[in-house]
Amino acid sequence: SYELTQPPSVSVSPGQTAIITCSGDALTKKYGYWYQQKSGQAPVLVVYEDDKRPSGTPERFSGSSSRSTVTLTIKGAQVEDEAVYSCYSTDNSGTQRLFGGGTKLTVV
Amino acid sequence: QVHLVESGGALVKPGRSLRLSCAASGFSFTDSDLTWVRQAPGQGLEWISYINGRGRTTSYADSVKGRFTISRDSARKTLYLQMNSLKVEDTAVYYCAREFAGYSRSGHETRYFDSWGQGTLVTVSS
Repeated sequence: SYELTQPPSVSVSPGQTAIITCSGDALTKKYGYWYQQKSGQAPVLVVYEDDKRPSGTPERFSGSSSRSTVTLTIKGAQVEDEAVYSCYSTDNSGTQRLFGGGTKLTVV
Repeated sequence: QVHLVESGGALVKPGRSLRLSCAASGFSFTDSDLTWVRQAPGQGLEWISYINGRGRTTSYADSVKGRFTISRDSARKTLYLQMNSLKVEDTAVYYCAREFAGYSRSGHETRYFDSWGQGTLVTVSS
């Protein structure tokens, strides 16, 4: 079965660059997406189609893709960026949707 | 403005049934694919079910296949999730989400959840 693997946690100081990776075989053929989820809130899309930002996503957020890994980069992370970030994709048939386990970003 | 409101969450005993609803507004209901995603306490997001705009195509995660049924009522603009034979491990916040499906500028299929409700809590416990 397809899986998406993320590190459980990432910690940076304010102003530093946070890098969160997501790996999985599905990503070699399908786009990766990133959701931000703050405590007690519903997820919000911050990157789609590997590297595109929805309107409203700050420019410090960017996405990239290489082979079976997608990466979310937050340049100059701010305290308000503290959240759980989950990658998402679909399997090759498009019938199964997959989330990574989520990465808790701490900015302190 | 897309608005999704889930309801129906409750405390139920293992083996019992429950039906969740998701009232939709602010977009073309019949043109939109919808999905259910859940999140167990302290855990990550788990996609569990999908239904296309016409209601003719559905899919399920293995964890709920055969126990849960997704459906939709266009007249009421409401999405449903019928949950039978509930297990303790079904305890979670259940979100409904609108699924955008199309093709990127490079011609590849793109599919993601672009709007979410606030969720409804289902607790399965004896």
